[in-house]
Amino acid sequence: QKEVEQDPGPLSVPEGAIVSLNCTYSNSAFQYFMWYRQYSRKGPELLMYTYSSGNKEDGRFTAQVDKSSKYISLFIRDSQPSDSATYLCAMAYNFGNEKLTFGTGTRLTIIP
Amino acid sequence: GAGVSQSPSNKVTEKGKDVELRCDPISGHTALYWYRQSLGQGLEFLIYFQGNSAPDKSGLPSDRFSAERTGGSVSTLTIQRTQQEDSAVYLCASSFMRGETQYFGPGTRLLVL
Repeated sequence: QKEVEQDPGPLSVPEGAIVSLNCTYSNSAFQYFMWYRQYSRKGPELLMYTYSSGNKEDGRFTAQVDKSSKYISLFIRDSQPSDSATYLCAMAYNFGNEKLTFGTGTRLTIIP
Repeated sequence: GAGVSQSPSNKVTEKGKDVELRCDPISGHTALYWYRQSLGQGLEFLIYFQGNSAPDKSGLPSDRFSAERTGGSVSTLTIQRTQQEDSAVYLCASSFMRGETQYFGPGTRLLVL
């Protein structure tokens, strides 16, 4: 079993919808949680970064961490066609997160 | 400001040949990372450099894989005697220092025939 599980999708939603992306993990030692966005044939880029449990909002994006359930989510409000990409969750044990553990990524398409 | 660059962007090789993949990190970034992205596997950590030294090589899958970094800048990932299962996208990332945000390059797509 992988340390981090993520539904690969693909997920297609109409423009303007709220998108929910999720990851579960098995190792309670993870403390730092990240979401990356990867466009086709590009490298991943960091979207959101949270420490421990709680919510963090940045514009249309909200990251949520529930350490008791070992479950993290990324919500995208008012989704746009430009949000179409693969979204990867990533986790690290401690500060100095040189070794990130990634989920497999969810491929998202926003339909105009 | 230039981002992380990688070369070649694509590489096709025959089984058994050696390949070298290059990474140019963002200027001034002291930490450099290599990852491998395979279909359905997500990103897999390979190795991390702080300056020219590699404190963590734990992700290298076999002794056919090696990496070096010279002058605290450019890094080369070498795969000897390539196998078909080595086919993947090899991604490099750099950060200003350990613990800071990792910025990724576009990757090198390796296909071993």
